[in-house]
Amino acid sequence: AQSVAQPEDQVNVAEGNPLTVKCTYSVSGNPYLFWYVQYPNRGLQFLLKYITGDNLVKGSYGFEAEFNKSQTSFHLKKPSALVSDSALYFCAVRDGDYGQNFVFGPGTRLSVLP
Amino acid sequence: GAVVSQHPSRVICKSGTSVKIECRSLDFQATTMFWYRQFPKQSLMLMATSNEGSKATYEQGVEKDKFLINHASLTLSTLTVTSAHPEDSSFYICSAPQLGRVNEAFFGQGTRLTVV
Repeated sequence: AQSVAQPEDQVNVAEGNPLTVKCTYSVSGNPYLFWYVQYPNRGLQFLLKYITGDNLVKGSYGFEAEFNKSQTSFHLKKPSALVSDSALYFCAVRDGDYGQNFVFGPGTRLSVLP
Repeated sequence: GAVVSQHPSRVICKSGTSVKIECRSLDFQATTMFWYRQFPKQSLMLMATSNEGSKATYEQGVEKDKFLINHASLTLSTLTVTSAHPEDSSFYICSAPQLGRVNEAFFGQGTRLTVV
């Protein structure tokens, strides 16, 4: 069975500093990995995904993530945080074949302090 | 990008009444849609998979008779919470994978249900 862990409930970072939100996963086959962001009382917005190819994936709003197969990790990063980046971030792995469900991590709340 | 519209965004209802939540794919067809429930400060938990033209598939522990799902067309799925109770208060989110867009799903805005 697929699973996703986000070891930090909360990440605090000062505006302008780099940020990292951690994610590790467990899958039986090839991992398809995703990051989503959620603002209060809103649905999920897609940030980026890794399916195959380069381990460093660039996504929306200046975010990027690095796939590390040996460490089974897919950490989300941004070189310079903005206050507007404050939100809830979910890492997810696709469960099964095309069109199937996503398994989500517990989420990490990012607070960027001005 | 593809858009999934969920309605209503907020609803307050009395205990014992039923509430219907709609999930529409606005610019693509979706033979499958997923319904999630999110408790405060928790992750999304899959409730059921909605299949166009056939019965929904429910996750273990989800009451089929309480959470009725109908996937009437390739662009519409509905979730009806029947005989709602305060413990059903939650944030419900739908998602739909777009045909031909492998490995990506699009999410609705979510519905905040409060049962009083």
